[in-house]
Amino acid sequence: KQEVTQIPAALSVPEGENLVLNCSFTDSAIYNLQWFRQDPGKGLTSLLLIQSSQREQTSGRLNASLDKSSGRSTLYIAASQPGDSATYLCAVANAGNMLTFGGGTRLMVKP
Amino acid sequence: ETGVTQSPTHLIKTRGQQVTLRCSSQSGHNTVSWYQQALGQGPQFIFQYYREEENGRGNFPPRFSGLQFPNYSSELNVNALELDDSALYLCASSLEQRMASYGYTFGSGTRLTVV
Repeated sequence: KQEVTQIPAALSVPEGENLVLNCSFTDSAIYNLQWFRQDPGKGLTSLLLIQSSQREQTSGRLNASLDKSSGRSTLYIAASQPGDSATYLCAVANAGNMLTFGGGTRLMVKP
Repeated sequence: ETGVTQSPTHLIKTRGQQVTLRCSSQSGHNTVSWYQQALGQGPQFIFQYYREEENGRGNFPPRFSGLQFPNYSSELNVNALELDDSALYLCASSLEQRMASYGYTFGSGTRLTVV
């Protein structure tokens, strides 16, 4: 059974800092890994998707890496802004196309 | 290209009642999945529908059931509601043949409160 863990569970940083969110998973037989953003009480917004054959993806100030063999992914946010405050979720897709989510990292960026 | 739309946005039900939640998939997507997200937790997979048939199910009891229609829209039905069913219910759509490359698109969710 796939298990996904996100560390830290919560993070508070001053504006402008670079930060790293971590995601680990137990079963390396994945199709892809997706990072999502969730604002309070809202749905999920896809940030980055890394296919199993890829090592990283970049979008603006965001960079996500994937090390499938070790079961790890990181989301790097450069020059953080108060608007980045949200919960960040990682999810892996296994056979059957179901997503298994981590518990999320709640990020607060202080002005 | 429209995204995933869910209705209603909020709902309050009494324990023991039944509820139906609705989802319209993103244009061109043929697979719909439903997830339950309790407060402060990550979403949990309920089930997935492809070509109008259930195509995978998570650890949820039979009182959680669903349908997918020929236009790929979907319903989630929950019978005999319990207090623990209070959660945000998320619908996600994808194109089954391109899921590995493009992943899932999620709706904004339905907030269900059972009292």
